[in-house]
Amino acid sequence: AQSVTQLDSQVPVFEEAPVELRCNYSSSVSVYLFWYVQYPNQGLQLLLKYLSGSTLVKGINGFEAEFNKSQTSFHLRKPSVHISDTAEYFCAVSGLSGGYNKLIFGAGTRLAVHP
Amino acid sequence: NAGVTQTPKFRVLKTGQSMTLLCAQDMNHEYMYWYRQDPGMGLRLIHYSVGEGTTAKGEVPDGYNVSRLKKQNFLLGLESAAPSQTSVYFCASSPGTGGRQPQHFGDGTRLSIL
Repeated sequence: AQSVTQLDSQVPVFEEAPVELRCNYSSSVSVYLFWYVQYPNQGLQLLLKYLSGSTLVKGINGFEAEFNKSQTSFHLRKPSVHISDTAEYFCAVSGLSGGYNKLIFGAGTRLAVHP
Repeated sequence: NAGVTQTPKFRVLKTGQSMTLLCAQDMNHEYMYWYRQDPGMGLRLIHYSVGEGTTAKGEVPDGYNVSRLKKQNFLLGLESAAPSQTSVYFCASSPGTGGRQPQHFGDGTRLSIL
């Protein structure tokens, strides 16, 4: 069975500081990994995805994530955050299960960027 | 480019009332999903559909029914609403190619059951 653990429920950070949001997954099969962002009162938007190949994945808004198979992690990073990055971030793992595209989400990490 | 559209955006119901949430997508996607989002629990899959005329149960299906009569629409029904169904409901769609394709989400329906 697949599962996702986001290690921090809330991350406060000052503007222009770097940030890392941590995600660990468990799966017995090959996985595809995603980070989604949810701004207040909106739906989820795709930030980036890892399907195969290079373990460093770049996404929108200056975010990147590194896939580490040995540590079963997919941490999200940004070198310098802005106020507008305040949002909730969800890590998700996907793979075939019962014949469909099953997406398992972590509980989310709320990023609060302070001036 | 509308993507995934959910109606209504907000609704307040009394216990025991029924209602239907509508999801429409204009991307010709095969797969559609209904999730509920509760604080600290991420998103949990209620029901999903792998094509027109098909539906299947997800992780938390009890108390909900769905229908997919047209490829572009996926309806979620609550026959007898309960306070435990107070949540934010999200619809999503994907091309359905075995997990590689990301899901596209609507903006959600905020539902309160009194």
